[in-house]
Amino acid sequence: EVQLVESGGGLVKPGGSLRLSCAASGFTFSNAWMSWVRQAPGKGLEWVGRIKSKADGGTADYTASVKGRFTISRDDSKNTLYLQMNSLKAEDTAVYYCTDTAPVDYWGQGTLVTVSS
Amino acid sequence: EIVLTQSPGTLSLSPGERATLSCRASQSLTRNYLAWYQQKPGQAPRLLIYAASSRAAGIPDRFSGSGSGTDFALTISRLEPEDFAMYYCQQYGTSPPETFGQGTKVEIK
Repeated sequence: EVQLVESGGGLVKPGGSLRLSCAASGFTFSNAWMSWVRQAPGKGLEWVGRIKSKADGGTADYTASVKGRFTISRDDSKNTLYLQMNSLKAEDTAVYYCTDTAPVDYWGQGTLVTVSS
Repeated sequence: EIVLTQSPGTLSLSPGERATLSCRASQSLTRNYLAWYQQKPGQAPRLLIYAASSRAAGIPDRFSGSGSGTDFALTISRLEPEDFAMYYCQQYGTSPPETFGQGTKVEIK
């Protein structure tokens, strides 16, 4: 059974940093392209970014609003995906989902990030 | 960046009725790589349709997808009580970002 379990969410002040983790199991993580999707309270889904498998280059792409502030990385030895978020803004407040790449079959339960003073 | 526009914003229907949701892309999608998701309150989304018209595993056949190029649709042939939810389209397969539409809410009339 595929499982994606996010952790690391919480309350952070504007300008602060947070790192989210996603522990993956039930599939060959090292072969998978992985993504982060977020959803602000009461709003729609927003694609944050994705990282390719190392075999496919291991590079990451981002949506414009987070480029230069967020970094997606992976540790295939730990079957773990990361989202490093710096220079956080109020508009980054959202539930962050770890997912496989589109079309998304598998979603984590989400972790809430609140950016507020 | 490809922009997806979903319409209507809200669809008010009764159980047993047919629902047709639209998703229009700002440019033609590579290989019609468009997915549809259903989301209920407090839950993660669930994949319904991929590549415009292929049903995901375990999805009832009352859900169908159609379209090509820039115009796509999700049809629910006969609404069941559990189908009242938010629906999102997403394009993929072209250069990132893999954008979502803003969503259509299907509510009970």
